[in-house]
Amino acid sequence: GAVVSQHPSRVICKSGTSVKIECRSLDFQATTMFWYRQFPKQSLMLMATSNEGSKATYEQGVEKDKFLINHASLTLSTLTVTSAHPEDSSFYICSASPGEYNEQFFGPGTRLTVL
Amino acid sequence: LAKTTQPISMDSYEGQEVNITCSHNNIATNDYITWYQQFPSQGPRFIIQGYKTKVTNEVASLFIPADRKSSTLSLPRVSLSDTAVYYCLVGDKAAGNKLTFGGGTRVLVKP
Repeated sequence: GAVVSQHPSRVICKSGTSVKIECRSLDFQATTMFWYRQFPKQSLMLMATSNEGSKATYEQGVEKDKFLINHASLTLSTLTVTSAHPEDSSFYICSASPGEYNEQFFGPGTRLTVL
Repeated sequence: LAKTTQPISMDSYEGQEVNITCSHNNIATNDYITWYQQFPSQGPRFIIQGYKTKVTNEVASLFIPADRKSSTLSLPRVSLSDTAVYYCLVGDKAAGNKLTFGGGTRVLVKP
């Protein structure tokens, strides 16, 4: 199947700093990628839809100025958590699909810990 | 997007068949049913997808009754490594592939 990677896999940062997470589709192009957040023992929550060449679409309740998304190319989307605080500590997962009618492939996730 | 309801957890033993039923009473005509598996600290992994009747692949079967208001994921002869959370999702493939995850079912396979 198609492969999606994320970098870094784990990051620890101080409160107030910004953290960038990369999501790459390794063997296919994706005009749309999705970003999820998952807290311990909970389900995945969709944060935003990342569209190549245009602005991301954020879900209700997700602050677009705090979670900056840039879909720079057909194989790369980045999520920047700005001015991170301990409550932003979570597991961040991206996904992408080779085509509109294909299943989504998920990245391995990024564990963010804000001290 | 149609809402799904699954049991919170299920226990099983190695070698047994595990059946997880998902309710999706408000499923729309264009909606497909997709199941994902997730291990701790990993991204979800696609298991199977179907629209109606029965779909089978190398890892699972998916049974969908005629009214499509529910579906059952069947995992044959589970092993300890099948311990995971299983998510049932319903959505329109053409609607940008947007997925809404429900609570999932935590399956524990015991020796």
